[in-house]
Amino acid sequence: EVQLVESGGGLVQPGGSLRLSCAASGFTFSDHYMDWVRQAPGKGLEWVGRTRNKANSYTTEYAASVKGRFTISRDDSKNSLYLQMNSLKTEDTAVYYCAREGHAAGRLDVWGQGTTVTVSS
Amino acid sequence: DIQMTQSPSSLSASVGDRVTITCQASQDISNYLNWYQQKPGKAPKLLIYDASNLETGVPSRFSGSGSGTDFTFTISSLQPEDIATYYCQQYDNLLAFGQGTKLEIK
Repeated sequence: EVQLVESGGGLVQPGGSLRLSCAASGFTFSDHYMDWVRQAPGKGLEWVGRTRNKANSYTTEYAASVKGRFTISRDDSKNSLYLQMNSLKTEDTAVYYCAREGHAAGRLDVWGQGTTVTVSS
Repeated sequence: DIQMTQSPSSLSASVGDRVTITCQASQDISNYLNWYQQKPGKAPKLLIYDASNLETGVPSRFSGSGSGTDFTFTISSLQPEDIATYYCQQYDNLLAFGQGTKLEIK
């Protein structure tokens, strides 16, 4: 079964850091671009960023709202995706989803169940 | 950045109705447009890719059309299980979602 499972969410103070993980199974993780998407309470979906695959040099791209504060990485040997979040703000409070881009880039065809990040003092 | 504008933001319809949602891009994105369904408390689900292609396993009552800047998502005959929020998403330049359309049963 193709599956993505996020972990690492929790409560953190403004200015703090948190690292999210996403464990993949049931497919060849190393072939795919992987993304993070978030959803603030009662709001819509917001793309956070992506990491390309090894064939495309593991390059990363980010939304303007998180660029310079968030870092996406991956470990293909562990079938895992990561999101390092630094200098967190209250507006980063959201459910964070990892998602797989299908064999055609841009198509988010598999999603995890999400992990909740709350930034509050 | 490419902005995606969906309309309406909410919609109430009856079972069996034909439902249409529109999505407008701030610049030409060719057919680089996907549609997702999100039910409360659940992750989004891909329904339509490349503007008009039905994802495997998705019922044929769902369809999409358009290219350039103007796109349409249609449910031909609304079913109770279609109650959800629907999002368009472009991938011509990075990725970006529309603000969503919440669909309710009348």
